[in-house]
Amino acid sequence: AQTVTQSQPEMSVQEAETVTLSCTYDTSESDYYLFWYKQPPSRQMILVIRQEAYKQQNATENRFSVNFQKAAKSFSLKISDSQLGDAAMYFCAYLPRETSGSRLTFGEGTQLTVNP
Amino acid sequence: GAVVSQHPSRVICKSGTSVKIECRSLDFQATTMFWYRQFPKQSLMLMATSNEGSKATYEQGVEKDKFLINHASLTLSTLTVTSAHPEDSSFYICSASRAVNYGYTFGSGTRLTVV
Repeated sequence: AQTVTQSQPEMSVQEAETVTLSCTYDTSESDYYLFWYKQPPSRQMILVIRQEAYKQQNATENRFSVNFQKAAKSFSLKISDSQLGDAAMYFCAYLPRETSGSRLTFGEGTQLTVNP
Repeated sequence: GAVVSQHPSRVICKSGTSVKIECRSLDFQATTMFWYRQFPKQSLMLMATSNEGSKATYEQGVEKDKFLINHASLTLSTLTVTSAHPEDSSFYICSASRAVNYGYTFGSGTRLTVV
């Protein structure tokens, strides 16, 4: 079974600084998707970034980028120029590359605090 | 695109009554939807997979008679908490996907309080 581990329950960063959130996963599959979701105090789950395992290039979305290390099964999220609105719970998630109906496997989450 | 609407956002009910939560995919069809439960400061716990036109698949430990799921159309799944008790108080979230490679879109969640 696939597992996703986020070893940092809490992280903090100063506004405008950079922070990296860690995520490791375990799978026997060779093709899959990885995601980072953000859950602010409103509790709405928001997709931050996604990575397709067969793509070697790391995904980027504006201030958000990932460091995808397939061999190490590591998928960290880097947030640059942190803003107060980035404060949220961040979840790493794994999805097998199957037909529709595949389930997401979530990590435990990392609570990010942004200090002004 | 890929909007999922969930209602109600908050509901308070008396112990012993039933509550229905709706999850709609507004701009796409979803043959599969997922229902999660989330406790404060914890991750999402998958309760069941809702399949259009067939029975839902429940995760181990989830009481199917307490948490009734109906997926009668390609855009609507409902979760009914039957004979609710205070321990059922929680945050419930649904999700669906337009296409698996885009990940899943989540509803805004329902905070259920049973008094």
